[in-house]
Amino acid sequence: KAGVTQTPRYLIKTRGQQVTLSCSPISGHRSVSWYQQTPGQGLQFLFEYFSETQRNKGNFPGRFSGRQFSNSRSEMNVSTLELGDSALYLCASSLSGGAGDEQFFGPGTRLTVL
Amino acid sequence: SQQGEEDPQALSIQEGENATMNCSYKTSINNLQWYRQNSGRGLVHLILIRSNEREKHSGRLRVTLDTSKKSSSLLITASRAADTASYFCATEGGGSYIPTFGRGTSLIVHP
Repeated sequence: KAGVTQTPRYLIKTRGQQVTLSCSPISGHRSVSWYQQTPGQGLQFLFEYFSETQRNKGNFPGRFSGRQFSNSRSEMNVSTLELGDSALYLCASSLSGGAGDEQFFGPGTRLTVL
Repeated sequence: SQQGEEDPQALSIQEGENATMNCSYKTSINNLQWYRQNSGRGLVHLILIRSNEREKHSGRLRVTLDTSKKSSSLLITASRAADTASYFCATEGGGSYIPTFGRGTSLIVHP
């Protein structure tokens, strides 16, 4: 069974630009969550999608958005990039996102904002 | 904001020794999970322990949970150089199914 894949793996952007990251979950998984990881803040939850609907949202500004497609693949978009958006963005999928549901993480997308 | 806080922040040991990492949290939980992250890569789920369990084992891993002290520990026995990684605890509770991660313990195992 293929794992969670994320594309691209590395990205360099400049301030003010926008970026779209993609995540393909494990086949059969319907919940996809996104996290931002930085040395200063650690792992922070961005949002979770289930059946094409955003079910949970973390405490991030509206510049961060996402969506999920009917095949459970998900994208997240960051508009008007800031230097502080430089981070490792991790996507995780699980069967249903319920309590104790094991999350499987992708390798992440390393975003650098110059 | 982080729910769990791992201790120590960094741990350096020799191969063959045991490594113990602790996680403390503030509010009541439904379960607690431990994850491993190799440098700059995705997280790998290690073990889940529910709030009504006190101890779980998986291979060389032993996890304990003390809900009265709001703390958990992860013990890796007979460590190997390949265990070098960051270890995170993640808690679920308060009506949310979203795990909240601590900042992690960085473990270095010297061969």
